[in-house]
Amino acid sequence: AQSVTQLDSHVSVSEGTPVLLRCNYSSSYSPSLFWYVQHPNKGLQLLLKYTSAATLVKGINGFEAEFKKSETSFHLTKPSAHMSDAAEYFCVVSAQSNDYKLSFGAGTTVTVRA
Amino acid sequence: DGGITQSPKYLFRKEGQNVTLSCEQNLNHDAMYWYRQDPGQGLRLIYYSQIVNDFQKGDIAEGYSVSREKKESFPLTVTSAQKNPTAFYLCASSISGGASDTQYFGPGTRLTVL
Repeated sequence: AQSVTQLDSHVSVSEGTPVLLRCNYSSSYSPSLFWYVQHPNKGLQLLLKYTSAATLVKGINGFEAEFKKSETSFHLTKPSAHMSDAAEYFCVVSAQSNDYKLSFGAGTTVTVRA
Repeated sequence: DGGITQSPKYLFRKEGQNVTLSCEQNLNHDAMYWYRQDPGQGLRLIYYSQIVNDFQKGDIAEGYSVSREKKESFPLTVTSAQKNPTAFYLCASSISGGASDTQYFGPGTRLTVL
Protein backbone atom coordinates (compact mmCIF):
# COMPACT_ATOMS: atom_id res chain seq x y z
CA ALA A 1 0.00 0.00 0.00
CA GLN A 2 1.12 3.56 -0.57
CA SER A 3 -0.15 6.96 0.47
CA VAL A 4 0.80 10.61 0.50
CA THR A 5 0.18 13.32 3.09
CA GLN A 6 0.61 16.97 2.22
CA LEU A 7 1.02 18.65 5.56
CA ASP A 8 -0.32 22.07 4.59
CA SER A 9 -3.57 22.64 2.72
CA HIS A 10 -2.72 26.30 2.15
CA VAL A 11 0.55 28.26 2.11
CA SER A 12 0.78 32.04 1.77
CA VAL A 13 4.10 33.76 0.98
CA SER A 14 5.28 37.20 -0.09
CA GLU A 15 6.78 37.63 -3.52
CA GLY A 16 10.54 37.14 -3.37
CA THR A 17 10.50 34.98 -0.23
CA PRO A 18 11.14 31.22 -0.04
CA VAL A 19 8.42 28.64 -0.57
CA LEU A 20 8.28 25.31 1.30
CA LEU A 21 5.62 22.69 0.57
CA ARG A 22 5.78 19.63 2.79
CA CYS A 23 5.03 16.07 1.70
CA ASN A 24 5.33 12.78 3.58
CA TYR A 25 4.77 9.43 1.92
CA SER A 26 4.40 5.81 2.84
CA SER A 27 5.25 2.94 0.53
CA SER A 28 6.05 -0.74 0.95
CA TYR A 29 8.42 -0.61 -2.00
CA SER A 30 10.98 1.78 -3.46
CA PRO A 31 8.87 4.71 -4.55
CA SER A 32 8.91 7.10 -7.44
CA LEU A 33 7.85 10.55 -6.29
CA PHE A 34 6.49 13.46 -8.28
CA TRP A 35 5.42 17.05 -7.77
CA TYR A 36 2.80 18.47 -10.12
CA VAL A 37 1.40 22.00 -10.35
CA GLN A 38 -2.14 22.91 -11.40
CA HIS A 39 -3.29 26.40 -12.29
CA PRO A 40 -7.04 27.13 -12.03
CA ASN A 41 -9.16 25.10 -14.45
CA LYS A 42 -6.07 23.62 -16.10
CA GLY A 43 -4.46 20.22 -16.29
CA LEU A 44 -1.51 19.14 -14.18
CA GLN A 45 2.05 19.97 -15.20
CA LEU A 46 5.06 18.00 -13.97
CA LEU A 47 7.50 20.07 -11.89
CA LEU A 48 9.97 17.31 -11.05
CA LYS A 49 10.29 13.62 -10.24
CA TYR A 50 12.48 11.32 -8.17
CA THR A 51 13.23 7.77 -9.34
CA SER A 52 16.07 6.53 -7.10
CA ALA A 53 18.88 8.54 -8.64
CA ALA A 54 20.11 11.75 -6.96
CA THR A 55 18.21 12.59 -3.79
CA LEU A 56 18.14 16.32 -4.60
CA VAL A 57 15.99 16.78 -7.66
CA LYS A 58 15.85 19.98 -9.66
CA GLY A 59 12.76 20.83 -11.61
CA ILE A 60 11.31 23.54 -13.78
CA ASN A 61 10.77 27.19 -12.78
CA GLY A 62 13.40 27.09 -10.03
CA PHE A 63 11.75 24.40 -7.91
CA GLU A 64 13.64 21.56 -6.27
CA ALA A 65 12.83 18.73 -3.88
CA GLU A 66 14.87 16.49 -1.61
CA PHE A 67 14.11 12.83 -1.07
CA LYS A 68 14.78 11.82 2.55
CA LYS A 69 14.20 8.11 3.04
CA SER A 70 14.79 8.19 6.81
CA GLU A 71 12.08 10.82 7.19
CA THR A 72 9.85 9.49 4.36
CA SER A 73 9.62 13.03 3.07
CA PHE A 74 9.80 14.75 -0.29
CA HIS A 75 9.46 18.47 0.42
CA LEU A 76 9.29 21.00 -2.42
CA THR A 77 11.16 24.31 -2.19
CA LYS A 78 11.82 27.44 -4.20
CA PRO A 79 14.20 30.17 -3.02
CA SER A 80 12.19 33.12 -4.28
CA ALA A 81 8.44 33.05 -5.00
CA HIS A 82 7.00 34.74 -8.06
CA MET A 83 3.41 35.83 -8.58
CA SER A 84 3.05 33.18 -11.29
CA ASP A 85 3.73 30.46 -8.67
CA ALA A 86 0.22 30.94 -7.25
CA ALA A 87 -1.41 27.58 -7.96
CA GLU A 88 -2.23 24.21 -6.43
CA TYR A 89 0.57 21.70 -5.94
CA PHE A 90 0.23 17.94 -5.70
CA CYS A 91 2.71 15.45 -4.27
CA VAL A 92 2.35 12.03 -5.89
CA VAL A 93 3.82 8.61 -5.12
CA SER A 94 4.09 5.54 -7.31
CA ALA A 95 5.38 2.18 -6.08
CA GLN A 96 7.20 -0.31 -8.24
CA SER A 97 4.95 -3.12 -7.09
CA ASN A 98 1.99 -1.56 -8.81
CA ASP A 99 2.52 -0.53 -12.37
CA TYR A 100 -0.32 1.82 -12.97
CA LYS A 101 -1.28 3.42 -9.75
CA LEU A 102 -0.37 6.92 -8.66
CA SER A 103 -1.47 8.05 -5.20
CA PHE A 104 -2.14 11.79 -5.00
CA GLY A 105 -1.95 14.03 -1.98
CA ALA A 106 -4.90 16.32 -1.31
CA GLY A 107 -2.99 19.32 -2.62
CA THR A 108 -1.49 22.54 -1.26
CA THR A 109 -2.81 25.88 -2.49
CA VAL A 110 -0.11 28.54 -2.74
CA THR A 111 -0.98 32.21 -2.53
CA VAL A 112 1.68 34.81 -3.38
CA ARG A 113 1.28 38.31 -1.91
CA ALA A 114 2.69 41.30 -3.76
CA ASP B 1 2.80 20.08 -31.36
CA GLY B 2 2.52 16.93 -29.23
CA GLY B 3 0.12 16.64 -26.36
CA ILE B 4 -3.21 15.58 -24.99
CA THR B 5 -6.49 17.21 -25.95
CA GLN B 6 -9.77 16.92 -24.10
CA SER B 7 -13.17 18.08 -25.30
CA PRO B 8 -15.39 19.72 -24.51
CA LYS B 9 -13.91 22.10 -21.95
CA TYR B 10 -17.30 22.51 -20.24
CA LEU B 11 -20.18 20.02 -20.34
CA PHE B 12 -23.64 20.15 -18.84
CA ARG B 13 -25.72 17.06 -18.24
CA LYS B 14 -29.34 16.63 -17.35
CA GLU B 15 -30.46 14.00 -14.88
CA GLY B 16 -30.67 10.56 -16.51
CA GLN B 17 -28.42 11.40 -19.47
CA ASN B 18 -25.26 9.65 -20.53
CA VAL B 19 -22.45 11.92 -21.70
CA THR B 20 -19.10 11.12 -23.34
CA LEU B 21 -15.86 12.98 -22.70
CA SER B 22 -13.22 12.88 -25.38
CA CYS B 23 -9.48 12.35 -24.84
CA GLU B 24 -6.94 12.21 -27.66
CA GLN B 25 -3.14 12.02 -27.52
CA ASN B 26 -0.49 12.27 -30.23
CA LEU B 27 2.44 11.33 -28.00
CA ASN B 28 2.45 7.69 -29.18
CA HIS B 29 1.93 6.59 -25.57
CA ASP B 30 0.64 3.11 -24.81
CA ALA B 31 -1.02 3.90 -21.47
CA MET B 32 -3.94 6.24 -20.87
CA TYR B 33 -5.87 7.17 -17.73
CA TRP B 34 -9.00 8.94 -16.53
CA TYR B 35 -9.12 10.77 -13.21
CA ARG B 36 -11.80 12.62 -11.34
CA GLN B 37 -10.98 15.72 -9.28
CA ASP B 38 -13.28 17.15 -6.60
CA PRO B 39 -12.60 20.37 -4.65
CA GLY B 40 -10.09 19.91 -1.83
CA GLN B 41 -9.20 16.39 -2.90
CA GLY B 42 -6.44 14.83 -4.88
CA LEU B 43 -7.12 12.99 -8.12
CA ARG B 44 -8.89 9.64 -8.05
CA LEU B 45 -8.41 7.03 -10.77
CA ILE B 46 -11.52 5.98 -12.70
CA TYR B 47 -10.15 3.71 -15.45
CA TYR B 48 -6.82 3.05 -17.10
CA SER B 49 -5.62 1.29 -20.22
CA GLN B 50 -2.11 0.01 -20.88
CA ILE B 51 -2.77 -1.25 -24.40
CA VAL B 52 -5.34 -1.02 -27.15
CA ASN B 53 -8.50 -3.08 -26.59
CA ASP B 54 -7.73 -3.57 -22.91
CA PHE B 55 -8.63 -1.46 -19.87
CA GLN B 56 -8.93 -1.89 -16.12
CA LYS B 57 -11.10 -0.38 -13.40
CA GLY B 58 -9.53 2.10 -11.06
CA ASP B 59 -10.68 3.09 -7.60
CA ILE B 60 -14.01 4.71 -8.54
CA ALA B 61 -15.21 3.00 -11.75
CA GLU B 62 -18.88 2.62 -10.79
CA GLY B 63 -21.13 4.64 -13.09
CA TYR B 64 -18.43 5.11 -15.75
CA SER B 65 -17.43 3.22 -18.89
CA VAL B 66 -14.54 3.48 -21.34
CA SER B 67 -13.29 2.06 -24.63
CA ARG B 68 -9.83 1.86 -26.18
CA GLU B 69 -10.26 1.01 -29.85
CA LYS B 70 -7.37 3.18 -31.00
CA LYS B 71 -4.02 3.90 -29.39
CA GLU B 72 -4.55 7.65 -29.48
CA SER B 73 -8.11 7.75 -28.12
CA PHE B 74 -9.64 6.88 -24.73
CA PRO B 75 -13.20 8.25 -24.38
CA LEU B 76 -15.00 8.20 -21.04
CA THR B 77 -18.78 7.83 -20.75
CA VAL B 78 -20.47 9.09 -17.60
CA THR B 79 -23.65 7.07 -17.31
CA SER B 80 -26.88 7.86 -15.50
CA ALA B 81 -25.80 5.34 -12.86
CA GLN B 82 -23.17 7.82 -11.63
CA LYS B 83 -25.11 9.61 -8.90
CA ASN B 84 -22.76 12.53 -8.30
CA PRO B 85 -20.99 13.25 -11.59
CA THR B 86 -20.33 16.97 -11.14
CA ALA B 87 -16.52 17.21 -11.11
CA PHE B 88 -13.42 18.10 -13.10
CA TYR B 89 -12.26 15.18 -15.28
CA LEU B 90 -8.64 14.80 -16.32
CA CYS B 91 -7.19 12.47 -18.91
CA ALA B 92 -3.52 11.48 -18.84
CA SER B 93 -1.11 9.30 -20.77
CA SER B 94 2.29 7.72 -20.18
CA ILE B 95 4.78 5.83 -22.31
CA SER B 96 4.05 2.35 -20.99
CA GLY B 97 2.28 2.54 -17.64
CA GLY B 98 5.39 1.78 -15.60
CA ALA B 99 5.68 2.99 -12.01
CA SER B 100 8.35 5.57 -12.78
CA ASP B 101 6.79 6.82 -16.02
CA THR B 102 5.69 10.43 -16.04
CA GLN B 103 1.99 10.89 -16.67
CA TYR B 104 1.13 13.82 -18.94
CA PHE B 105 -2.22 15.48 -18.40
CA GLY B 106 -4.77 17.09 -20.67
CA PRO B 107 -6.46 20.42 -19.87
CA GLY B 108 -9.56 18.79 -18.35
CA THR B 109 -13.33 18.80 -18.83
CA ARG B 110 -15.62 20.32 -16.23
CA LEU B 111 -18.91 18.42 -16.03
CA THR B 112 -21.92 19.94 -14.31
CA VAL B 113 -25.24 18.23 -13.70
CA LEU B 114 -28.21 20.52 -14.11
